[in-house]
Amino acid sequence: NAGVTQTPKFQVLKTGQSMTLQCAQDMNHNSMYWYRQDPGMGLRLIYYSASEGTTDKGEVPNGYNVSRLNKREFSLRLESAAPSQTSVYFCASRLPNNEQFFGPGTRLTVL
Amino acid sequence: AQRVTQPEKLLSVFKGAPVELKCNYSYSGSPELFWYVQYSRQRLQLLLRHISRESIKGFTADLNKGETSFHLKKPFAQEEDSAMYYCALGQLIFGQGTELSVKP
Repeated sequence: NAGVTQTPKFQVLKTGQSMTLQCAQDMNHNSMYWYRQDPGMGLRLIYYSASEGTTDKGEVPNGYNVSRLNKREFSLRLESAAPSQTSVYFCASRLPNNEQFFGPGTRLTVL
Repeated sequence: AQRVTQPEKLLSVFKGAPVELKCNYSYSGSPELFWYVQYSRQRLQLLLRHISRESIKGFTADLNKGETSFHLKKPFAQEEDSAMYYCALGQLIFGQGTELSVKP
């Protein structure tokens, strides 16, 4: 089992460029999450998906879109990147005991 | 509103000293609380959950409903405990994190 995988590991974008962060889990979990991690701000929820075909906004959804393509995959899209979106992005899935299992993160810099 | 507060951004102690990382929560029902740890450049991983009431790597955390707290404690800190610690309420609410630095 790979657990939760994220691609890419690192990315540098210019302001206005778009990109999609990929996340996949092989643990057959229903719920998946996207967070951003910023110094002094902790982890903030961007979007989550309670099950295949459903998505909901978290605390900081502006500037992002998500797709729950199937049970395994939950992608995060930045349509027009801004420097304020420079962050480390974590994807997670939820075990039946409500523990979250995190991916290794994507470090994104927007110039 | 549901909220988790970790009042200390940075906690610095010497090896062998006791450690207490504070976590206070705001929740009207029965809370489900977790502590996650992130070692340098690694993914977040679960350290403790209040339901299990276990000790992991010497850390314990007790839920105090009266004080709405779930503080993380360890009697003797080790250098390898240096990491970022997050308190979490349920699935969706994380605190701001506390960086623990254990000096030799």
